[in-house]
Amino acid sequence: QKEVEQNSGPLSVPEGAIASLNCTYSDRGSQSFFWYRQYSGKSPELIMSIYSNGDKEDGRFTAQLNKASQYVSLLIRDSQPSDSATYLCAVMYSSASKIIFGSGTRLSIRP
Amino acid sequence: ETGVTQSPTHLIKTRGQQVTLRCSSQSGHNTVSWYQQALGQGPQFIFQYYREEENGRGNFPPRFSGLQFPNYSSELNVNALELDDSALYLCAATRASGTSTDTQYFGPGTRLTVL
Repeated sequence: QKEVEQNSGPLSVPEGAIASLNCTYSDRGSQSFFWYRQYSGKSPELIMSIYSNGDKEDGRFTAQLNKASQYVSLLIRDSQPSDSATYLCAVMYSSASKIIFGSGTRLSIRP
Repeated sequence: ETGVTQSPTHLIKTRGQQVTLRCSSQSGHNTVSWYQQALGQGPQFIFQYYREEENGRGNFPPRFSGLQFPNYSSELNVNALELDDSALYLCAATRASGTSTDTQYFGPGTRLTVL
């Protein structure tokens, strides 16, 4: 069983709409959660980090964490064509220093 | 700009050969992690170095080895290359102190092709 699960997509969203990306994880001891954006052929770029339950907003991005449900999400408001990329959910466990990544969700913003 | 650099950008090797990939980061980043990312997959953790010692390892065979130097730069060595080793290799640096670890920032990666 994968430790971090994401829907591979592609997720197609019209320009200006809200894109919702979801991620579940298996280890309840997880402490830190990250969303990375990766354009084709490029390395992952950190968008958001979240450590406690609730919402965290940064510009058009909102990360949501629910540790009881082992669920983390990323909302992108007013989606732009430049948001078209693969979004990677990543989890850092409390007992180790490694980060476990999901396989990513491909997001496509259509004009 | 993450302050993490990797070399070379691209590399082509043949099966059975050995390869060394390099990573450097800005001052203060005392922890470096290496990841392998196959096409269409998320990065897979290879190992991490903290203060020049291996500090955690993923499910990779011993022919994947590494080093971290006093200036915190790092190398990933892969022996006896196999076709499945073809991937994007990512280095991520961060600053760790005690039990806490800051966010990891990735370098641009090295694209390795094994023929």
